[in-house]
Amino acid sequence: GAGVSQSPRYKVAKRGQDVALRCDPISGHVSLFWYQQALGQGPEFLTYFQNEAQLDKSGLPSDRFFAERPEGSVSTLKIQRTQQEDSAVYLCASSTHSGSTDTQYFGPGTRLTVL
Amino acid sequence: AQRVTQPEKLLSVFKGAPVELKCNYSYSGSPELFWYVQYSRQRLQLLLRHISRESIKGFTADLNKGETSFHLKKPFAQEEDSAMYYCALRPKTGANSKLTFGKGITLSVRP
Repeated sequence: GAGVSQSPRYKVAKRGQDVALRCDPISGHVSLFWYQQALGQGPEFLTYFQNEAQLDKSGLPSDRFFAERPEGSVSTLKIQRTQQEDSAVYLCASSTHSGSTDTQYFGPGTRLTVL
Repeated sequence: AQRVTQPEKLLSVFKGAPVELKCNYSYSGSPELFWYVQYSRQRLQLLLRHISRESIKGFTADLNKGETSFHLKKPFAQEEDSAMYYCALRPKTGANSKLTFGKGITLSVRP
């Protein structure tokens, strides 16, 4: 079966533009995570969904970042008024259940460059 | 707070040499530890997790709670092991299963 997919794979935005990044998790996976990976760093947690419920958004760096998963499958991460410091790879991961024993499967990421 | 430290950024070895990638962690509760690997042009994927206590691609890692370490080891490196390796932690229990990653280390295995 298909793994986690993300689109677009690359996005270039001018400072101040809004962007939307899409994640298609593995079919049937309950949990969905977004991570941000800056150059030379490890992934850092942004937010977590269990089905359509956003249970943890403690990692979102500012109120310009917003994520949703309205039907419990596809998720969108939106960044408003992008800034240069938002340039990073945005990773999506999904896992079968909400329990902490499940493996998280990662997508290929979206590389965002803000000029 | 939970933290993962990978003290080295790069390890370069010759094929057949032993490899040890260091990982130390800080967490007040009971953690679950992982090693993730990212090969060139591929996505991040799970290599191994401490609760499985298995060897994957010849790699092993033992959780040392006294030293709060989870070093990744392989006795004889292969060229195909060249990749970026990340150590990660998450709470063993509870609904919040977010991963905390280290900064990663590049392993380069020369022929």
